[in-house]
Amino acid sequence: GAVVSQHPSWVICKSGTSVKIECRSLDFQATTMFWYRQFPKQSLMLMATSNEGSKATYEQGVEKDKFLINHASLTLSTLTVTSAHPEDSSFYICSATLAGGGFHNEQFFGPGTRLTVL
Amino acid sequence: ILNVEQSPQSLHVQEGDSTNFTCSFPSSNFYALHWYRWETAKSPEALFVMTLNGDEKKKGRISATLNTKEGYSYLYIKGSQPEDSATYLCAFMRTSGSRLTFGEGTQLTVNP
Repeated sequence: GAVVSQHPSWVICKSGTSVKIECRSLDFQATTMFWYRQFPKQSLMLMATSNEGSKATYEQGVEKDKFLINHASLTLSTLTVTSAHPEDSSFYICSATLAGGGFHNEQFFGPGTRLTVL
Repeated sequence: ILNVEQSPQSLHVQEGDSTNFTCSFPSSNFYALHWYRWETAKSPEALFVMTLNGDEKKKGRISATLNTKEGYSYLYIKGSQPEDSATYLCAFMRTSGSRLTFGEGTQLTVNP
């Protein structure tokens, strides 16, 4: 149980285009989903917290107009990287918590998306 | 800014060796410490969520201890197997419902 999928697993795009990444909780309802980014040899850095039906909360230094997050249902959150540039190339990974917080807010992760912007 | 540090960064051991690594975190305002195991091309998998000082948890050959007063947790693997090869992440949570702050991970390689 508590499986999270992410699509696509990797994507290559041209500079200036937008890319959408989907995060789905397959067998549970997730009121809260998180989006992380990981640069090489660095830790997972939280970008934003997304609550179903409300606006996402972005971490300091993360541009909300560049990284659009939509959490329209209890099983789906999307991250759109708008007008992507090479410096946006990174590994993006989402996670979700069970409705009600679960056991000490345990987070269930997707497998991640490798974005390369040419 | 919360500092969560893991050591060593990487570790190579032989099959059958026992090994351990460290996660250090701020000792003030502690709520929980999470350990994850992350195999290449897979999702990070939760191993333990630890909340109480002195906690010791075990799952098969893997165990973890927690010292909240001094701000560290150890993860032990007994009799390492090649399938234990993965990156082990710890993450600190300051209050219930707050963000997880991750360390950079310890990359373990177990050679057959």
